[in-house]
Amino acid sequence: NAGVTQTPKFRVLKTGQSMTLLCAQDMNHEYMYWYRQDPGMGLRLIHYSVGEGTTAKGEVPDGYNVSRLKKQNFLLGLESAAPSQTSVYFCASAAGVEAFFGQGTRLTVV
Amino acid sequence: AQKITQTQPGMFVQEKEAVTLDCTYDTSDPSYGLFWYKQPSSGEMIFLIYQGSYDQQNATEGRYSLNFQKARKSANLVISASQLGDSAMYFCAMREVYTGGFKTIFGAGTRLFVKA
Repeated sequence: NAGVTQTPKFRVLKTGQSMTLLCAQDMNHEYMYWYRQDPGMGLRLIHYSVGEGTTAKGEVPDGYNVSRLKKQNFLLGLESAAPSQTSVYFCASAAGVEAFFGQGTRLTVV
Repeated sequence: AQKITQTQPGMFVQEKEAVTLDCTYDTSDPSYGLFWYKQPSSGEMIFLIYQGSYDQQNATEGRYSLNFQKARKSANLVISASQLGDSAMYFCAMREVYTGGFKTIFGAGTRLFVKA
């Protein structure tokens, strides 16, 4: 079982560049989340979705956009990357109690 | 507003001993869930244990137990018989349920070091 798959696993961007992170889950989960984790800190919720076609803002949504056009995919976009967005990004999906996490995407903005 | 507080940035424990990792939370909603996740140095997030706000008994999963004190708004993780493989970051998280669904927020984490 693939579970939750994040693409890419590593990326280096220049300031001002744009990119999209893809999260795909094969468990038919309704809920999907994007978090960022900075050194020495916990995960902070960026955006989340409670079902296909829905999105909502989390704790730190500025500078990010998301889309959930298909139930199995949740995309996180950075329109104009900034060094402050250097972080490890985690996607998660959930249907009940337990959330399943992807392996993370390490993004560096220089 | 939701808030999760983990006041112990780092903890040391001797192998085979028990250790308690602290977590306090703040919410005005009556329905919520509390979680603990483990993050080893490899980076993945591993679900450990869950406690619902209406659960009468403390949750247990193998060597993990959750000391849930609702009135004090605390949800401490107890690891019994620590093993070297328990060395990792541990995150407390809270899920708040509302009409549209639910979302989960995390504390800053506690790094546990198990000594041989």
